[in-house]
Amino acid sequence: DIQMTQSPSSVSASVGDRVTITCRASQDISSWLAWYQQKPGKAPKLLIYSASSLQSGVPSRFSGSGSGTDFTLTISSLQPEDFATYYCQQAKNFPPYTFGQGTQLEMK
Amino acid sequence: QAQLVESGGGVVQPGGSLRLSCAASGINFINFGMHWVRQSPGKGLEWVTFIRYNGNDKYYADSVKGRFTVSRDNSKNILFVQMNSLRPEDTAVYYCARDLVAADGTRYFDLWGRGTLVTVSP
Repeated sequence: DIQMTQSPSSVSASVGDRVTITCRASQDISSWLAWYQQKPGKAPKLLIYSASSLQSGVPSRFSGSGSGTDFTLTISSLQPEDFATYYCQQAKNFPPYTFGQGTQLEMK
Repeated sequence: QAQLVESGGGVVQPGGSLRLSCAASGINFINFGMHWVRQSPGKGLEWVTFIRYNGNDKYYADSVKGRFTVSRDNSKNILFVQMNSLRPEDTAVYYCARDLVAADGTRYFDLWGRGTLVTVSP
């Protein structure tokens, strides 16, 4: 199975900050990667798919980049509603789909 | 509006069984593959199973293969997962999720339910 490793595990930031979260795959997954946002007690929400495609309805301050094994999710100007946990997911090898362990974005 | 609602969770003893349901509304259910994804308390996400739109293909995580069975009733817009021989490590919130096929053919989860909690405990 392809292993997905996110860094950092948690990050503290302030409203207006630019935040970057990294995801590394254990093998080349081309651009077959998604990012999800999850708030406490809620279901995950798809933000980005195919590494850089913005899901409909997601604010443009979210962007994704990368290919091969290294990927990033960037929030250009953090808003109060963005404090959440973020997960990456590989879509190259199925089954199984695999997720990263999550990055918790906390308010500084 | 598009909505998925899970039900059927609860407390069950090890070795027991449960059947979860996911009722879809506001979507053309028959057009979509569907997944179950679970999340153990305080932990990350684990994909569990996928069923194609017509029910002809099914895939399972190794951790549930032989114990869980996914099915669907397209006439009633409902997705199921029958969970047998449950173990404490199956304790989790179980989400159903709609399959999004991107232009490059890869698959993601673009619509999720709110989840139903399954607790496996003596």
